[in-house]
Amino acid sequence: GESVGLHLPTLSVQEGDNSIINCAYSNSASDYFIWYKQESGKGPQFIIDIRSNMDKRQGQRVTVLLNKTVKHLSLQIAATQPGDSAVYFCAEVIKAAGNKLTFGGGTRVLVKP
Amino acid sequence: EAQVTQNPRYLITVTGKKLTVTCSQNMNHEYMSWYRQDPGLGLRQIYYSMNVEATDKGDVPEGYKVSRKEKRNFPLILESPSPNQTSLYFCASSSLGQAANEKLFFGSGTQLSVL
Repeated sequence: GESVGLHLPTLSVQEGDNSIINCAYSNSASDYFIWYKQESGKGPQFIIDIRSNMDKRQGQRVTVLLNKTVKHLSLQIAATQPGDSAVYFCAEVIKAAGNKLTFGGGTRVLVKP
Repeated sequence: EAQVTQNPRYLITVTGKKLTVTCSQNMNHEYMSWYRQDPGLGLRQIYYSMNVEATDKGDVPEGYKVSRKEKRNFPLILESPSPNQTSLYFCASSSLGQAANEKLFFGSGTQLSVL
């Protein structure tokens, strides 16, 4: 069956270092992928997305890489800050399935001062 | 301020006592959806609505009802709550178009405990 999952449940990062959060997916029919950030006590917040016909997209301090050959997605956060401490979810969207959105299990990022 | 508002934020109830969690958005979004979040399972979709009077089941609809009588409101109804419905619930909305679901706006969540 289709699934979207994450490799590491918790990532501890030194402030100022770069963070890399990984995500594996199994459905090759996915049209695009989204990264969400969820801070404690809040709902998920959109960070960045990437279309399936792209392999890289950059935002402010974040870069998403997509490797369709191995069905792997990553989110890179440059110069990690204390405010980046949160749980990060990847999600896939399949337009043919009515824009069905499937979330991964989440990775917690802890930024150490 | 653009937002999705859920109420209540916390709710403790007993098995079988009907409850409603309200959700309202002020962005004139066509699409609204309910998710539950459980440890290790991520966010799972319960029900969604593409527009007024148009609702569809998500991945885990059993035990839940929804209604979409107005564009801004999308209440989640538990007719007879059971302990396995103890969870953190999120309402979300987005505009439809080429990228429906792409930029969901989430509420702050409702933590429900069913005893």
